[in-house]
Amino acid sequence: DIVLTQTPLSSPVTLGQPASISCRSSHSLVHSDGNTYLSWLQQRPGQPPRLLIYKISNRFSGVPDRFSGSGAETDFTLKISRVEAEDVGVYYCTQATQFPWTFGQGTKVEIK
Amino acid sequence: EVQLVESGGGLVQPGGSLRLSCAASGFTFSSYAMGWVRQAPGKGLEWVSAISGSAGTTYYADSVKGRFTISRDNSKNTLFLQMNSLRVEDTAVYYCAKVVRSIAVAATFDYWGQGTLITVSS
Repeated sequence: DIVLTQTPLSSPVTLGQPASISCRSSHSLVHSDGNTYLSWLQQRPGQPPRLLIYKISNRFSGVPDRFSGSGAETDFTLKISRVEAEDVGVYYCTQATQFPWTFGQGTKVEIK
Repeated sequence: EVQLVESGGGLVQPGGSLRLSCAASGFTFSSYAMGWVRQAPGKGLEWVSAISGSAGTTYYADSVKGRFTISRDNSKNTLFLQMNSLRVEDTAVYYCAKVVRSIAVAATFDYWGQGTLITVSS
């Protein structure tokens, strides 16, 4: 199985400041079709997960442009340019390049 | 608006069975693969199973293979998860999720339901 390792596991951030989360994969996530199926999810407290970013860097419908994704092969990053109060929650990277689909452990973003 | 509403959760004894349902609306159900993801209390996410839009192909995590069966009724826009031989470690919130395409290969989940809690305990 592909293992996704996120760092940090906790990220206290000041409102208006940037935040960055890393996701490292145990194997290349490049699919045979040439795409990389690495996504980022946000889970606010008490809520289900919500898709933020798909295929490394594509923002999903309705996602604010302060969220951005980057990376390639095995190393990926989610950045929040200016953290707002509504961004508090746990962020997961997830891969769907290979079965079983797997998730990182999650990174908790909280306000300092 | 895409809506996914799970039902069927509850308390069950180890070794028991339960059937989850997920009612879908707001999109052409048969055109999209669907899946289940679970989250144990206070823990992270674990992919459980997926099924193609036509129901012709299914996939399972090793942890549930042989015990869980995913299925769908495209005439009723409903996804199911039949769970047999339940174990304490199956205790979790189970989320129904829509896949971005008709096949559950090289894709991702784009919409998620609110989840239903399964508690396996004696």
